[in-house]
Amino acid sequence: SQQGEEDPQALSIQEGENATMNCSYKTSINNLQWYRQNSGRGLVHLILIRSNEREKHSGRLRVTLDTSKKSSSLLITASRAADTASYFCATRGSGGSYIPTFGRGTSLIVHP
Amino acid sequence: NAGVTQTPKFQVLKTGQSMTLQCAQDMNHNSMYWYRQDPGMGLRLIYYSASEGTTDKGEVPNGYNVSRLNKREFSLRLESAAPSQTSVYFCASSGDSLGEQYFGPGTRLTVT
Repeated sequence: SQQGEEDPQALSIQEGENATMNCSYKTSINNLQWYRQNSGRGLVHLILIRSNEREKHSGRLRVTLDTSKKSSSLLITASRAADTASYFCATRGSGGSYIPTFGRGTSLIVHP
Repeated sequence: NAGVTQTPKFQVLKTGQSMTLQCAQDMNHNSMYWYRQDPGMGLRLIYYSASEGTTDKGEVPNGYNVSRLNKREFSLRLESAAPSQTSVYFCASSGDSLGEQYFGPGTRLTVT
């Protein structure tokens, strides 16, 4: 079963706009990670946020984590056509469960 | 530094045939993983190896076997391929059981 679920499933925006996608999960986690997948390629790790962190930045990416709501959000600021890809969240469980669990992803299209 | 490599890139099998997908990493990572990705399903974990000498089932292990040949290599075997195993297969590795994963380029498998 999928632990993380991204929302929305698809997002279409214009270049320069911000893109926000959300991830909800069900059980307690050690950390949550976001990945990007360009069409036909492998996934690329973007950012990792630990359960004791609330916010993290990396370049144009901002990730927040709310463990009380079991949710995370990924914000891409000033998006570019090259950001067009699918974005996945993946959770790493706590309590000895090492199985990484991915959501179904958000498909982002950035129009030039 | 090639990262994670997978062979082959594409494969077509007939129902009942067997094959082995190869994966190797050169990052001295302890943990390795096999996923399958189907449209609308995200990534599902087939098997993983937390460290050399250990393997464990993931979410969808039926019809597959794995071998952690050494620290670098982790192979996935389909003993008797079925059309339901038509998918894109990704290998990944991580430094430890909780860290970010590095993905290979994938193997696109079609079973007719």
